[in-house]
Amino acid sequence: EAGVTQFPSHSVIEKGQTVTLRCDPISGHDNLYWYRRVMGKEIKFLLHFVKESKQDESGMPNNRFLAERTGGTYSTLKVQPAELEDSGVYFCASNPLGREDTEAFFGQGTRLTVV
Amino acid sequence: TQLLEQSPQFLSIQEGENLTVYCNSSSVFSSLQWYRQEPGEGPVLLVTVVTGGEVKKLKRLTFQFGDARKDSSLHITAAQPGDTGLYLCAGSRQDKIIFGKGTRLHILP
Repeated sequence: EAGVTQFPSHSVIEKGQTVTLRCDPISGHDNLYWYRRVMGKEIKFLLHFVKESKQDESGMPNNRFLAERTGGTYSTLKVQPAELEDSGVYFCASNPLGREDTEAFFGQGTRLTVV
Repeated sequence: TQLLEQSPQFLSIQEGENLTVYCNSSSVFSSLQWYRQEPGEGPVLLVTVVTGGEVKKLKRLTFQFGDARKDSSLHITAAQPGDTGLYLCAGSRQDKIIFGKGTRLHILP
């Protein structure tokens, strides 16, 4: 069974540009989460999808970040326009409904560098 | 405000030694999880503890959940170089997982 996959693994963009990150969760997992780790800080929650609906987006930093999960399968996280402080590693995770309190399966992350 | 405090942040010890990593919070969690993260990879679950006072063993790793479900510890016996990595404590709250900063462990051969 394929795990959570993220694309790209690395992205270097200039300040002001747009970047779109993609996450393919484990098949059948209705819960999908986005997290971000900025250097020196803890992994921070961004938002949570249940199928195609945003269950909790309390962690989204500002309106430059837009997450979508059309069809309830893969998800994208777009940053537009990117700022220097957006640099970090963006993780996606998934788990089945009812397993929110037990384990999240993580992708390998996308390392975003804004220069 | 850091909801989950991990200590120490860094630990470098000789192979064969024992060590304990702590995860503390002022809040109660329905469960606490320990993850391990390798460079270039996402966190991978080691164990989930649910019941206050629970102890779980995974080979040389022993995990304990505090009686009040606010803290946890990870004890490694006879550490091996393969134990080197980033250990993350995480708690479940309102259907999402909240992480501590992690403990970076380095075992010297």
